[in-house]
Amino acid sequence: AQSVTQLDSHVSVSEGTPVLLRCNYSSSYSPSLFWYVQHPNKGLQLLLKYTSAATLVKGINGFEAEFKKSETSFHLTKPSAHMSDAAEYFCVVSVLRPSGGYNKLIFGAGTRLAVHP
Amino acid sequence: DAGVIQSPRHEVTEMGQEVTLRCKPISGHDYLFWYRQTMMRGLELLIYFNNNVPIDDSGMPEDRFSAKMPNASFSTLKIQPSEPRDSAVYFCASSLMGVEQYFGPGTRLTVT
Repeated sequence: AQSVTQLDSHVSVSEGTPVLLRCNYSSSYSPSLFWYVQHPNKGLQLLLKYTSAATLVKGINGFEAEFKKSETSFHLTKPSAHMSDAAEYFCVVSVLRPSGGYNKLIFGAGTRLAVHP
Repeated sequence: DAGVIQSPRHEVTEMGQEVTLRCKPISGHDYLFWYRQTMMRGLELLIYFNNNVPIDDSGMPEDRFSAKMPNASFSTLKIQPSEPRDSAVYFCASSLMGVEQYFGPGTRLTVT
């Protein structure tokens, strides 16, 4: 079975300091992993994705994530937080089907990031 | 590309009324998904379509919910009759070949 755990429900940082949002996953097969961001009253926007290529994945707005199979982790980082980064972030795991086609997304519970001046 | 388009963005209705939510997927995408987001349950997949055909509706809460996709560029989610516990944000998402999904802005439904 596949599952995803976001280790922090809330993270608070000061503007200009690094961001770390933690995510652990469980998957019986080679997973695809995603981070989505949801700003208040907005839809979910894809930040970045890992699909078994390079383990360090760069996304939009300066975010990146590293896939660590040995630790079953896919933590999201950013060197310097900006006020506009305040939002909710979802770690998502998807299982590739050998036959191809739709991959069900398993969403984490979300981490709310607050950025203070 | 305009992305996934949903309408209305906000809907307030009284219990017992019919509600219809609309979605236009990204052109060329062959999968369409309907999700519901609440504080208590997070994001839940309600139903998904592939090439306009409903594939899995096991997430639809009950018979009051129905979804259609008459063509590749339009889908509806209908609730009849609506109840206060249906209050949530409903998202539509589309995907090419079922890999990454692109979400619309959502419809915030309030049933009083």
